[in-house]
Amino acid sequence: GQNIDQPTEMTATEGAIVQINCTYQTSGFNGLFWYQQHAGEAPTFLSYNVLDGLEEKGRFSSFLSRSKGYSYLLLKELQMKDSASYLCAISNSGYALNFGKGTSLLVTP
Amino acid sequence: DGGITQSPKYLFRKEGQNVTLSCEQNLNHDAMYWYRQDPGQGLRLIYYSQIVNDFQKGDIAEGYSVSREKKESFPLTVTSAQKNPTAFYLCASSISREAPYEQYFGPGTRLTVT
Repeated sequence: GQNIDQPTEMTATEGAIVQINCTYQTSGFNGLFWYQQHAGEAPTFLSYNVLDGLEEKGRFSSFLSRSKGYSYLLLKELQMKDSASYLCAISNSGYALNFGKGTSLLVTP
Repeated sequence: DGGITQSPKYLFRKEGQNVTLSCEQNLNHDAMYWYRQDPGQGLRLIYYSQIVNDFQKGDIAEGYSVSREKKESFPLTVTSAQKNPTAFYLCASSISREAPYEQYFGPGTRLTVT
């Protein structure tokens, strides 16, 4: 079985930093993905972690602790266009992803 | 430009009718997937295919069928047996069936059944 938990909603101010957490329980682990999805659109890939530690990519960073079943996505210098849903997904067999319900982030002026 | 196309973007059908959603990719990806997304829910896997002429059921395959006759195409049929077909349907593909490479998503088809 598998369980992926994320906060349902978050609000942050333009220019600030926000951390979106994801905790998971899984019987197998091949990596963790973060996707961004604007309303009514397709998800787009943000990051991938398979080893413990921090992966940085511009304003976005993602952290993984496999022993704790924990990841977070860090967004810096928030912009209004960052208002979207952020999906945490686990690959546990290599062929498909299991998604959490997503975190809806609202960036306010 | 390489990518995944889904058509149409919006689709309306009457209850009891089967409907087929198109998904085409020119990325030369081996694996293709169909997901369903409902409001406030994550993506749920319907079917996936690792190679041509082969596909497997995902978590919610009941009421759906697929085919994979060509590498580029993976159409999804929503049958009248699907109890709650109204949803946002997303097709995706990935570079290899062996590694957890990132999945690329099409723009989606929003199906409404009344």
